[in-house]
Amino acid sequence: AQSVTQLGSHVSVSEGALVLLRCNYSSSVPPYLFWYVQYPNQGLQLLLKYTTGATLVKGINGFEAEFKKSETSFHLTKPSAHMSDAAEYFCAVRGTNAGKSTFGDGTTLTVKP
Amino acid sequence: NAGVTQTPKFRILKIGQSMTLQCTQDMNHNYMYWYRQDPGMGLKLIYYSVGAGITDKGEVPNGYNVSRSTTEDFPLRLELAAPSQTSVYFCASSQGWGNEKLFFGSGTQLSVL
Repeated sequence: AQSVTQLGSHVSVSEGALVLLRCNYSSSVPPYLFWYVQYPNQGLQLLLKYTTGATLVKGINGFEAEFKKSETSFHLTKPSAHMSDAAEYFCAVRGTNAGKSTFGDGTTLTVKP
Repeated sequence: NAGVTQTPKFRILKIGQSMTLQCTQDMNHNYMYWYRQDPGMGLKLIYYSVGAGITDKGEVPNGYNVSRSTTEDFPLRLELAAPSQTSVYFCASSQGWGNEKLFFGSGTQLSVL
């Protein structure tokens, strides 16, 4: 069984501020973890993923996430927010023995000028 | 390279009507998925397929049917539409199991009135 909890359905930051979107997961087997971004009226696009190896994962558009097994977390960060980062972000988990991904409820990021 | 293509983009149905949401991908992916996204919620898996001729239920299959006669196409059938099926539907595909990312279509917004 697997599940994802995203803490905070809405996050608002000022342009240039740190972005932190929180994700905790549960998985009965070693997980693969993903962050996807969804812009209005579009499908989801992959930002980054953790499979094995290095626990700090770098993705597109300056985002990165750190896999912390002891905390069952995979939080997404970006040092300096840009207006174009405003979107909805989804964390997803997939067990290494499964093809089905489970998604969190999403976090809407608003960036204020 | 078109990726994952969904049609139609928008549709309004009356209660009790039926329709088919079309999904096709040109990446030769074996794995295909149908998700629904309700406001403020994450994506819920309806059905998935691991190859032509093979389909299986996801979390919320009731009221839907699928078929997979070719690698490229994975249509979703709604029989006897109900207001509870008002949602945005996303088709996705992936190259493989486990750590492979999902490629999403742009979605179908369906209203059942």
